[in-house]
Amino acid sequence: DAGITQSPRHKVTETGTPVTLRCHQTENHRYMYWYRQDPGHGLRLIHYSYGVKDTDKGEVSDGYSVSRSKTEDFLLTLESATSSQTSVYFCAISPGQGPDGYTFGSGTRLTVV
Amino acid sequence: LAKTTQPISMDSYEGQEVNITCSHNNIATNDYITWYQQFPSQGPRFIIQGYKTKVTNEVASLFIPADRKSSTLSLPRVSLSDTAVYYCLVGEVGDYKLSFGAGTTVTVRA
Repeated sequence: DAGITQSPRHKVTETGTPVTLRCHQTENHRYMYWYRQDPGHGLRLIHYSYGVKDTDKGEVSDGYSVSRSKTEDFLLTLESATSSQTSVYFCAISPGQGPDGYTFGSGTRLTVV
Repeated sequence: LAKTTQPISMDSYEGQEVNITCSHNNIATNDYITWYQQFPSQGPRFIIQGYKTKVTNEVASLFIPADRKSSTLSLPRVSLSDTAVYYCLVGEVGDYKLSFGAGTTVTVRA
């Protein structure tokens, strides 16, 4: 979607290696989110940020860390990737004004082998 | 945030109307009902939001009864391109952390 980009779009990595996914926005939105999507589970919130250097955990945060050093960038790091972290990862942004304001990126398909 | 319940999947044929009902028994006074649509290999996108009665836009209609404990998303005359996952969310202005759940997978067949 316009204003939000995720990189990389696809990645294959080996178990035990660190992986960082990047989300970049040009909308100057305060809130940024990382979700993972798995069959049968829908979208589950991993971590979110409510400002530069301000982050908090979502419902499935174990094994993940995040950082936000600039308004426009939100990084998701898998410290030591496991096969259970094979998933599609979506970044989203929101101005924080209500449920209708979410804009999602196109997703990153991560495979851990 | 109020919990929502919606069917896991629905099948339809081109040209038919599809109605997806979402239950939200614990909806609060300030909550709005919001629907997102997710096409395969894409992130979800906002399609419609309402508070009460009926809302219509170019994509869908949203019907909300007086007690607001449920809502129905109506997709008129669907086409193959309406095949997607539809998410029902309940929250108020100012909510910044939403739960999307599993949604309803709508499959439209020729």
